[in-house]
Amino acid sequence: GAGVSQSPSNKVTEKGKDVELRCDPISGHTALYWYRQSLGQGLEFLIYFQGNSAPDKSGLPSDRFSAERTGGSVSTLTIQRTQQEDSAVYLCASRAPGTSYEQYFGPGTRLTVT
Amino acid sequence: AQSVAQPEDQVNVAEGNPLTVKCTYSVSGNPYLFWYVQYPNRGLQFLLKYITGDNLVKGSYGFEAEFNKSQTSFHLKKPSALVSDSALYFCAVRDTGFQKLVFGTGTRLLVSP
Repeated sequence: GAGVSQSPSNKVTEKGKDVELRCDPISGHTALYWYRQSLGQGLEFLIYFQGNSAPDKSGLPSDRFSAERTGGSVSTLTIQRTQQEDSAVYLCASRAPGTSYEQYFGPGTRLTVT
Repeated sequence: AQSVAQPEDQVNVAEGNPLTVKCTYSVSGNPYLFWYVQYPNRGLQFLLKYITGDNLVKGSYGFEAEFNKSQTSFHLKKPSALVSDSALYFCAVRDTGFQKLVFGTGTRLLVSP
C-alpha cells in the first residue's frame, strides 16, 4: 500500500516567514512522529501523536514550532518566524498500533531559510 | 535516558567483502533496537529490529544484526557487500517513556567496486 507522504518535498523561504509542512501517514497507523535532520547531524525528535491522546511535544525546540493532527490522520508542522537555523530536512513517520514498534518514514521536506 | 552510539562516521568496504556497521547502546531495562538505512535524498527505510528472542536478527536486503547483551552492542552485518548498499545507516533505540526513537549519529557506508 501507499507509504508515508510529505509535502512539499522542498521549501525555500525567507527568514521571518511562516511555513507549513504536511504529512500523510500510512492508513491505519495511529502513531505519528516528526523528526528533524540537520546537515551533518543525526535525527532529532520533535513531536509525537498517538490516537486522541495529548501529543508529546517535548522535542520542539522553541515556541515557534507547533504541530497538529486532524482527524487522527494528516498532520501539519508549522514553523513561525523562520530562522536560518531552522534549515533542515523534516521527516514524518508513522507506526501501526500494537507491538510492531518500527516506524515508517516519509521522504521528508527539505526546508531552506534564506 | 536511552541512547545509542555509532563510533564510525564512515565505513569503507570493497564489493563482495563482508561489512559491519557498529552500534552500542545504553538503556535501562530491555532494549528495543532498530537499524534504518537512508539513501541519498530519500527518507529512512526500516531494515530490522530486535525486541526479544534470537540474538541474530535477519532483515531486508540481506542484512542482519547481532544483539550482544554483554557488550551492549547491536552491530549491523552483511556477508557480501554490494555497491548499491552505499548509504547512510542509523541505529536507533526506542525510548520506553514516550515511544519515540532515539537515533545514533549515523554511519556512512561506501562500497567500492
